[in-house]
Amino acid sequence: SQTIHQWPATLVQPVGSPLSLECTVEGTSNPNLYWYRQAAGRGLQLLFYSVGIGQISSEVPQNLSASRPQDRQFILSSKKLLLSDSGFYLCAWRSSSVALSSEQYFGPGTRLTVT
Amino acid sequence: AQSVAQPEDQVNVAEGNPLTVKCTYSVSGNPYLFWYVQYPNRGLQFLLKYITGDNLVKGSYGFEAEFNKSQTSFHLKKPSALVSDSALYFCAVRDGSGYALNFGKGTSLLVTP
Repeated sequence: SQTIHQWPATLVQPVGSPLSLECTVEGTSNPNLYWYRQAAGRGLQLLFYSVGIGQISSEVPQNLSASRPQDRQFILSSKKLLLSDSGFYLCAWRSSSVALSSEQYFGPGTRLTVT
Repeated sequence: AQSVAQPEDQVNVAEGNPLTVKCTYSVSGNPYLFWYVQYPNRGLQFLLKYITGDNLVKGSYGFEAEFNKSQTSFHLKKPSALVSDSALYFCAVRDGSGYALNFGKGTSLLVTP
């Protein structure tokens, strides 16, 4: 079966510091991968998605970047955090081998607080 | 653009009563619709989806959803609510590219004993 991991689970970082959040998926190959941010108001914002190694689509211009160095690894980064980067970051995957109607599966999330 | 709307911020139901969480959609072409649940400080869990076929879709934990094309709705339902059903519920629709999902703003469900 497939599993998705995110770490760290929680993170407190000062403004201006760098960020690296990691997401890995097990039990599948060539998944579509996604990063979402959920602010305190609970809505989900799609940040990035990737359909393959080195292929990143950015949905919202901002202080963040994403990379996919390996097939099942997706990294969210920032060079300098802003207070507005605080939130709950969710990684998700979806099988690329089935129809586009397939659902996404979410990781446990990372709670980021920028102080 | 493909979008969904969840008109209720919160739904309150007594345990044992039926529950409905509302979702309406706006799409061009065939709608691919999804429901997810989120417990506090957790990731989203997939409940069910509508692609084609029967208008009544059955999912996890006793939930079901009714697709209504004329009303452009996809309401989530459960015949008898449990306190443990209290959570945040999201409706979603496949976006135009086919790669991503567009989520509603979420509805908080509170089931009281």
